[in-house]
Formats: sequence, C-alpha cells, structure tokens
Amino acid sequence: GQNIDQPTEMTATEGAIVQINCTYQTSGFNGLFWYQQHAGEAPTFLSYNVLDGLEEKGRFSSFLSRSKGYSYLLLKELQMKDSASYLCAVRDFMEYGNKLVFGAGTILRVKS
Amino acid sequence: EAGVAQSPRYKIIEKRQSVAFWCNPISGHATLYWYQQILGQGPKLLIQFQNNGVVDDSQLPKDRFSAERLKGVDSTLKIQPAKLEDSAVYLCASGTSENEQFFGPGTRLTVL
Repeated sequence: GQNIDQPTEMTATEGAIVQINCTYQTSGFNGLFWYQQHAGEAPTFLSYNVLDGLEEKGRFSSFLSRSKGYSYLLLKELQMKDSASYLCAVRDFMEYGNKLVFGAGTILRVKS
Repeated sequence: EAGVAQSPRYKIIEKRQSVAFWCNPISGHATLYWYQQILGQGPKLLIQFQNNGVVDDSQLPKDRFSAERLKGVDSTLKIQPAKLEDSAVYLCASGTSENEQFFGPGTRLTVL
C-alpha cells in the first residue's frame, strides 16, 4: 500500500519563505507531484520530481530524496494569493501503468 | 485550449436517491480519472479509464457507484443509491502522458 504524510496546517508571513514537507512510503515509486488547490477549486499542477534533487520554477521549488522517501515544496516571497492547500501526490507503478495517490494536503495561511 | 468540463457544479439530493455526473476531458486526452475528495482530505481515485477501457476501479464502491466512457471521450459517474457519506467533491481529470493530470472544476455533492 501507500502512505503519504504532510503537515495539516502552516502559517507564514507575506514576503517570507515557507517549506512544506512530505514523506511517503510506496512499493513502486515512479515520481512525485505537488499540486496547489484553492478553496472550492480544482487542484492545479505545480511541480514534478522523479530524480533526486531540486527543481526550481520561479518562486516555487521542489526537492526529492528517494532514499529517504522525502520531498519538500519551497515557496519564496510569499504572497497572499499563495494561501491554499498544497497536495503531495506519489505516482505508484502498477501492473497496468501508473496510479497517483494524494496526501491529505497542507493548508497554508499567508498573513500580512 | 478548453479545459476539463464537468456538470453539474453543485448537486443536493436526499439519501437513497440517485445522481449522475458528467465529464468532458480535454480533446485528445486518452486517460480519464474520477476522484472523490471529502472535505479536509486529498483526492481519492475512484476509477481510471484508458480510452474506453477501465484500467483501475479498485477503490470504486461497485455496489452503488458505476462509471462509463462508452466512446472513449466523455464519461459519466453514477451513484445509486446515495448515502450520507458520499457527500464530497467529485473531480474529473484527464491526461495524455503520465506526467500531468488536468482537473476539472468538480461537482460538489451534498447528500441530506
């Protein structure tokens, strides 16, 4: 089976940097995704890691360590609009192909 | 490019009633997913189609839920009869490769 853990809630200040951690256990790891979901809206893709290391995309960066079963999403220069839920999702290799398993999400509140 | 379309956006029914949701994926996307997202949780995969064939329905409560994608394009998800615990947002997503899924706006179901 799969197990994905991430903090339930975090609060940070506008302009600051915040790191959202995700740990996972899976039998057939084949990539890790981060999605952003604003309240009442659909998840939108942020980043994808399949190899160890850091992927940077503007104010957002995502890190992966496959040996530790660990990833983090780093958000720089926080803006009020970054207040949302951040979902860590692991792609698990199955017989038929791949399956995406989501964590419960981390609610980030950005305060001024 | 048009996104994933879903209807209705909201639905309120009483328990034991039936309900159906519709999804039209992005044109050309062979893979279609239905997810259930209960408040405060991450999306949970209910069923995955590759063209018009089912590749994973292991978490679909088959005694009450059914889904079809007859022509390999749009899809319907049905619940019959509904229970209180089915109250959730039902998200449809589509994709071409394994790297990214595009989500629709979702249908918020309330079962009274």
